[in-house]
Amino acid sequence: GAGVSQSPRYKVAKRGQDVALRCDPISGHVSLFWYQQALGQGPEFLTYFQNEAQLDKSGLPSDRFFAERPEGSVSTLKIQRTQQEDSAVYLCASSLASQGQPNYGYTFGSGTRLTVV
Amino acid sequence: GQNIDQPTEMTATEGAIVQINCTYQTSGFNGLFWYQQHAGEAPTFLSYNVLDGLEEKGRFSSFLSRSKGYSYLLLKELQMKDSASYLCAVREAGGSYIPTFGRGTSLIVHP
Repeated sequence: GAGVSQSPRYKVAKRGQDVALRCDPISGHVSLFWYQQALGQGPEFLTYFQNEAQLDKSGLPSDRFFAERPEGSVSTLKIQRTQQEDSAVYLCASSLASQGQPNYGYTFGSGTRLTVV
Repeated sequence: GQNIDQPTEMTATEGAIVQINCTYQTSGFNGLFWYQQHAGEAPTFLSYNVLDGLEEKGRFSSFLSRSKGYSYLLLKELQMKDSASYLCAVREAGGSYIPTFGRGTSLIVHP
């Protein structure tokens, strides 16, 4: 597609519920990033994929967070047993670049706003 | 790790010029980005600096001094639609080239 598409746009979850957030990157983009953005803050890095390989997951806040990109295109961020502190906007970004090709920008999706009640 | 600092909020008048500063500390620098983010929307790319100096693109310019760990975004001829959050992001050399974002500067443009 023309841009990075994320779904759902909004998600309300009850505390303890599992959620799955989807990201459709720009076709052909090698790199895919997930960020978490709390209200009034900048995006915080969660995890990074190069094609289907998850090369960095150092930003995932707990083992309740899991991400996958099995075929190197669509990615899913799963949060198990959601907590109120998980409420945030989850942004996905993709880039044509892979490691060693740093001179490309990043295209962001509009995000999924997760509210845990 | 990286430490990125930018002002929380700035206000300016329509038609004026505003400069948004960003300072950073990093062990190995590999580029600095500026993004614009309107409320509830995706961050959109504005500029990329990897060498010292000024990059001009229309009403927006971005400056970088690597020795000082300093960048600024200059917005000229401000328009109401420029009211948004401006995010500074720094990429560290080595590893996965993952950009780290500052908390953003909320710019309010008033008539």
